[in-house]
Formats: sequence, C-alpha cells, structure tokens
Amino acid sequence: AQRVTQPEKLLSVFKGAPVELKCNYSYSGSPELFWYVQYSRQRLQLLLRHISRESIKGFTADLNKGETSFHLKKPFAQEEDSAMYYCALPRKRGYQKVTFGIGTKLQVIP
Amino acid sequence: ETGVTQSPTHLIKTRGQQVTLRCSSQSGHNTVSWYQQALGQGPQFIFQYYREEENGRGNFPPRFSGLQFPNYSSELNVNALELDDSALYLCASSLTSGRAGEQYFGPGTRLTVT
Repeated sequence: AQRVTQPEKLLSVFKGAPVELKCNYSYSGSPELFWYVQYSRQRLQLLLRHISRESIKGFTADLNKGETSFHLKKPFAQEEDSAMYYCALPRKRGYQKVTFGIGTKLQVIP
Repeated sequence: ETGVTQSPTHLIKTRGQQVTLRCSSQSGHNTVSWYQQALGQGPQFIFQYYREEENGRGNFPPRFSGLQFPNYSSELNVNALELDDSALYLCASSLTSGRAGEQYFGPGTRLTVT
C-alpha cells in the first residue's frame, strides 16, 4: 500500500532562516511525488512536482529513492511562506487516486 | 478559465440524515475526485468519477455514493450520517489524460453532523 509520512505537524522558523519540510513515502515501484500548499483562507493548490525538477517560489524538492524521501526546502524563509504543506503521492496507473500526508504547518516568525 | 466550485459552503445535519454536496469541475476537465479532510488530517480519497462512472474508490463504506453528469459536474451523497462524517469535503478535477497527481481543488464544503 502506498503511504506518505510527514513527521512534523508544525514547523516554526524565523524569517530568513532555511526551511526543510520532511516527507517520507512508501511505494512499490518508481513514484512521482508532489507538494501541495494551502495558504490561509485559500484552496489547496499544487506547489511543485518532482519530475519537473522545478523551483517554485524559491522551493525545491529532491526525490531520494534510497531514503524514500521527498523533502521540501527553501534557503531563506519569507513571511508569505506561512501555510499548510502537504506531500502527495499519486497512483501512476489506473484511476488518479492521490495519497496525502497529514500536512505540516509552516509558521514563519517575523 | 473557470475554477472548481462547490456548494454549499457550510452544512449542518443531524445524525441519520442524508446529504448531497455538489461540485462543478474546472473548464475542460473530465475527471472528478472527492476527498474527505477531517480536522488535523490530510485529504483522504473517497472516489473518482470519469465518463459518469465511478472508476476508483478509497476505503469508504457504500453509504458514500456519487454521480457525474454529462457536463462533468458531480455530486457526493452520504446516507445515514454519522458524527464522524463531520469534515471538510473537497472536490478536485483533472484531465484523465493529464499527469496523475495534478488535481485542481475546490474550496470545499464544511459538513457538521450533530
């Protein structure tokens, strides 16, 4: 069964400090992973996908198959980064079920 | 381009009642998924509809059912409501031909069962 683990429910960092939101997964096969974000009073939205190797709003995430991890990182936190972050693992075949982690609330302290 | 919309925004029901939640998918999207998000949890997959048929289901009992219409909009029906059904219900639309995991979410319907 596929599973996503986000070990921290809350992460508080000071503005300008580095950010690392942890995500570990369990999946048989080669996964595709995503990060979703939900800002206050906004809907859940896609932040980035590992396969694109993109940097969105300064965030990057590298898939580490050896450690089965997909941690989200940003070198310098900004106040507008405060939000709920969800790591997500979709099925690759058949219907498009997405398994979400429990979420980590990032709080950037001014 | 029109985003995903859901109605109603909030709903209060009594245990044992039935409820219908509605979702309009993003323009051009042919697939609709429903998720339940309990307080403090991530979204949990309920089921997915494509071509007006359920084509995938999570670990939810049969009293959770749905419909998809020719215009791709969808309904989630829950019968015999239980207190534990209190949650935010999210609808997400996508393209079946699109990349798995790329889903566009509505704002959700907050259901409270008393």
